[in-house]
Amino acid sequence: NAGVTQTPKFQVLKTGQSMTLQCAQDMNHNSMYWYRQDPGMGLRLIYYSASEGTTDKGEVPNGYNVSRLNKREFSLRLESAAPSQTSVYFCASTEQGPSTEAFFGQGTRLTVV
Amino acid sequence: DAKTTQPPSMDCAEGRAANLPCNHSTISGNEYVYWYRQIHSQGPQYIIHGLKNNETNEMASLIITEDRKSSTLILPHATLRDTAVYYCIVRGLYSGAGSYQLTFGKGTKLSVIP
Repeated sequence: NAGVTQTPKFQVLKTGQSMTLQCAQDMNHNSMYWYRQDPGMGLRLIYYSASEGTTDKGEVPNGYNVSRLNKREFSLRLESAAPSQTSVYFCASTEQGPSTEAFFGQGTRLTVV
Repeated sequence: DAKTTQPPSMDCAEGRAANLPCNHSTISGNEYVYWYRQIHSQGPQYIIHGLKNNETNEMASLIITEDRKSSTLILPHATLRDTAVYYCIVRGLYSGAGSYQLTFGKGTKLSVIP
């Protein structure tokens, strides 16, 4: 049981380049999330998808777009990467409701030069 | 979501109990208290959660005060592998969209000392 899988694990981009971070979960969860974590900081929510077919902005959505491709997959796209987007990105999934455990992927370490 | 306050760092001797405090004075009646930890910048790992009653599982115990304004995570016999950043989170509805979010603060960096 893989849980939450993120690809790639590492990426270096040049300013202005685009890329898509992939996330897939095999737990049949309805809700999926994208977070970013800057050095010495907690995780900040970028976008989330409460259920298949819906997406909503989180705390720091500027510069990002998302797609909930199906129930399993939730991708994060950087259209024109900036050095300020250098960070570690985490995907998570959970069932809906306030009393459910969230599972996290191992992260994508992105550097924009 | 209610905000939480945690000490930035704590030390604990190996084999002793680690008691990590958290204040959440603005918690509302239907919000749960969650604890996660993050080891070496890996993805956060769920530890335990509770609403009103104290909870215990194979990893830890969660003690919630009667007024629910604070809680304590207890690792009964800390090992070196418990060195991590521990996050106390209050989970509630996000922006009325029907999705329950996890909002992370900076957490407590626990160092277990040999």
